[in-house]
Amino acid sequence: GAGVSQSPRYKVTKRGQDVALRCDPISGHVSLYWYRQALGQGPEFLTYFNYEAQQDKSGLPNDRFSAERPEGSISTLTIQRTEQRDSAMYRCASSLRGTEGKTQYFGPGTRLLVL
Amino acid sequence: GENVEQHPSTLSVQEGDSAVIKCTYSDSASNYFPWYKQELGKRPQLIIDIRSNVGEKKDQRIAVTLNKTAKHFSLHITETQPEDSAVYFCAASKTGNQFYFGTGTSLTVIP
Repeated sequence: GAGVSQSPRYKVTKRGQDVALRCDPISGHVSLYWYRQALGQGPEFLTYFNYEAQQDKSGLPNDRFSAERPEGSISTLTIQRTEQRDSAMYRCASSLRGTEGKTQYFGPGTRLLVL
Repeated sequence: GENVEQHPSTLSVQEGDSAVIKCTYSDSASNYFPWYKQELGKRPQLIIDIRSNVGEKKDQRIAVTLNKTAKHFSLHITETQPEDSAVYFCAASKTGNQFYFGTGTSLTVIP
């Protein structure tokens, strides 16, 4: 079946612009996670949802970052007033249910470049 | 919060030899430890995981061991093959939701 998908796959933007990154989880997956992965580093937790409820946003770097999942399926990560340090690979993952350590399936990522 | 350290950062082995990657964690409440394999340009994929009520788990050529007292866990790959070459990430979680990842180990299997 279809895996986790993300769009766009690549995004180049100018400093100060807003960007919206989309994640389409595996159908039926309750939990959705956002990570940021710098080159040569492991994924860094940003936030996660169970259904439409944002359970934990402690990993969001600052208030320019926000995420939503209004209908409990597709999620959008928004970065306002982008800065060069925001450049990274942004990945989402989904799982059947977050509790008890269910397997997370990662998406292909969105590579963001802020000029 | 949790802090996961992973060693070594790079590892080269001859085909057929074993490879061992080690991770330590700081939060004694962590109870779930997955390992992910990420090939170049691909997404991370789960290869094996272990929960804190188990000391060892094996799946064909891959095994993971957990020492809760010392707060470390290790990935063991036996009879390595060139297709095992990838970056491997360990992770720790205490809720099954927020995962803390290590910095990765780049494994190269030399034919």
